[in-house]
Amino acid sequence: NAGVTQTPKFRILKIGQSMTLQCTQDMNHNYMYWYRQDPGMGLKLIYYSVGAGITDKGEVPNGYNVSRSTTEDFPLRLELAAPSQTSVYFCASSYDRGLETQYFGPGTRLLVL
Amino acid sequence: AQSVSQHNHHVILSEAASLELGCNYSYGGTVNLFWYVQYPGQHLQLLLKYFSGDPLVKGIKGFEAEFIKSKFSFNLRKPSVQWSDTAEYFCAVIDNNDMRFGAGTRLTVKP
Repeated sequence: NAGVTQTPKFRILKIGQSMTLQCTQDMNHNYMYWYRQDPGMGLKLIYYSVGAGITDKGEVPNGYNVSRSTTEDFPLRLELAAPSQTSVYFCASSYDRGLETQYFGPGTRLLVL
Repeated sequence: AQSVSQHNHHVILSEAASLELGCNYSYGGTVNLFWYVQYPGQHLQLLLKYFSGDPLVKGIKGFEAEFIKSKFSFNLRKPSVQWSDTAEYFCAVIDNNDMRFGAGTRLTVKP
């Protein structure tokens, strides 16, 4: 099992550009999550999904969009990048939300200039 | 909304010193509790978790944590740290399927 994989590892964007952060898991997990990690702030949940075709907002969804067309993939889209979106983004998955451990991907470091 | 507090932002210890990292949460109901570790340049990994039963939970690499319901706390401990424990440690709490992370504590262990 590769677990949770994320691409790219690092990206620099100009203000106003758009991009998609890719996330794939091969553990057949129902739940998938996107977090952003900022220094001294811990992890904040952006969006999550309870299964293919179902997504919901987390704590900090503004400026982002997601889709979940398959169990394996959960891409995160930034439509108009802003400097405030400079962060490290982690994708995670779990079999269930409440009782199961979340498994994290290696992260994508995004710099918006 | 649930909040999770980790009071120590940066802890510096010498090898063989004992470690205790604080974690407090605000929700008064049933919670599931986690400690994750993030080694430099790596992703988050689970250290230990508590769902129910014995409030003293043992995890990997000699770490343990104690759930004290009356204090809303889930502090992480290790009797003797090693240089390889240098990392950032995150406490996380799930209640009603809402998972929140603390801000993290950076641990630096001097050889």
